[in-house]
Amino acid sequence: DTEVTQTPKHLVMGMTNKKSLKCEQHMGHRAMYWYKQKAKKPPELMFVYSYEKLSINESVPSRFSPECPNSSLLNLHLHALQPEDSALYLCASSPTSNTEAFFGQGTRLTVV
Amino acid sequence: GEDVEQSLFLSVREGDSSVINCTYTDSSSTYLYWYKQEPGAGLQLLTYIFSNMDMKQDQRLTVLLNKKDKHLSLRIADTQTGDSAIYFCADGSGGFKTIFGAGTRLFVKA
Repeated sequence: DTEVTQTPKHLVMGMTNKKSLKCEQHMGHRAMYWYKQKAKKPPELMFVYSYEKLSINESVPSRFSPECPNSSLLNLHLHALQPEDSALYLCASSPTSNTEAFFGQGTRLTVV
Repeated sequence: GEDVEQSLFLSVREGDSSVINCTYTDSSSTYLYWYKQEPGAGLQLLTYIFSNMDMKQDQRLTVLLNKKDKHLSLRIADTQTGDSAIYFCADGSGGFKTIFGAGTRLFVKA
């Protein structure tokens, strides 16, 4: 199994809603990532978990809250988002640092 | 900070070879990757090369690394319409922080 699975594929939410994005991998990878990608731009790193502990937070606003319940799962909790937060949110995993990352298909988020 | 640069567009005819170029600034880079992204999809790892290699071939893909010039290229032989996508060059040497180029949009004309 070499897949990173993200759900949902599409999400439309209002600015007062609370929602969560989910990511799962069963490759035994110990690093998991959240990226944000705007149209025609490269992915921007948001968070990194290493061995289930938050390792990197790239100064992401607190309306985005990551969670790593176990070594296979990664969540991104969303609350009080703004329209400019609309983007493709990508989850990735890698065996450790300095190794290739495998990406999921992303969640297309629209904030209305 | 360290940077990765790519040209933004490339247009080729079906059956021709495509060459996508990339330059990076970190002379100590050891892990360099090529990712492919089709519309509406995530990034797919195509291939990678380590700094102790000059070339890597994988079916239709050939990666060349010139460490002196800090230049990386991806050659796709016999380009097909299904190869139309955005190709990202990436430097994975920064621990957990991968540096992506802006992406090269490849158009394949039938």
